[in-house]
Amino acid sequence: EAGVAQSPRYKIIEKRQSVAFWCNPISGHATLYWYQQILGQGPKLLIQFQNNGVVDDSQLPKDRFSAERLKGVDSTLKIQPAKLEDSAVYLCASSQRQGISRWLYFGPGTRLTVT
Amino acid sequence: RKEVEQDPGPFNVPEGATVAFNCTYSNSASQSFFWYRQDCRKEPKLLMSVYSSGNEDGRFTAQLNRASQYISLLIRDSKLSDSATYLCVVIVSGGYNKLIFGAGTRLAVHP
Repeated sequence: EAGVAQSPRYKIIEKRQSVAFWCNPISGHATLYWYQQILGQGPKLLIQFQNNGVVDDSQLPKDRFSAERLKGVDSTLKIQPAKLEDSAVYLCASSQRQGISRWLYFGPGTRLTVT
Repeated sequence: RKEVEQDPGPFNVPEGATVAFNCTYSNSASQSFFWYRQDCRKEPKLLMSVYSSGNEDGRFTAQLNRASQYISLLIRDSKLSDSATYLCVVIVSGGYNKLIFGAGTRLAVHP
């Protein structure tokens, strides 16, 4: 079974530039999550989708971050404009059933460096 | 106060040692609990679920104390390959289930 795919794996941009990350969850997984993990911290949920609807985006900085999952499959997370504090690993995860951690699978992440 | 708190470590232990990690959570609506393992520069992966009755998987034992809102992970006979960060994860029930990660405890096992 293919895992959660993410691209790019690494990205370096200057502050105020824009960047987009892509995620393709495991086939058949209805729930998709974007997490931000800053060095030395645990993953922080940015947004959670159930199919193509948003379940939780309470910690998403909506003035600069946006995410979509138009067809209920793959998803894109965008940052515009980026700030230095956005340097982190952006992890996408999916699960077959909403909120059930034992079936939560993470992708390899995108490591973003903002200079 | 953080919703899920862990001692960041690092815990530096020799091979063969027994080591225990603790995690406390603040939300009494928390309903499910897990330990994840994260290797350096890798994604988190599920290690084990945590039940009130306690559960064991080989050298790993997890325990939950709902009254004290406390979770523990015990690793016996530590191996070099156990070196990683261990993340405590709590699911809080509500309109939907919300997963909250602790910051992790770093373990370094040396020869």
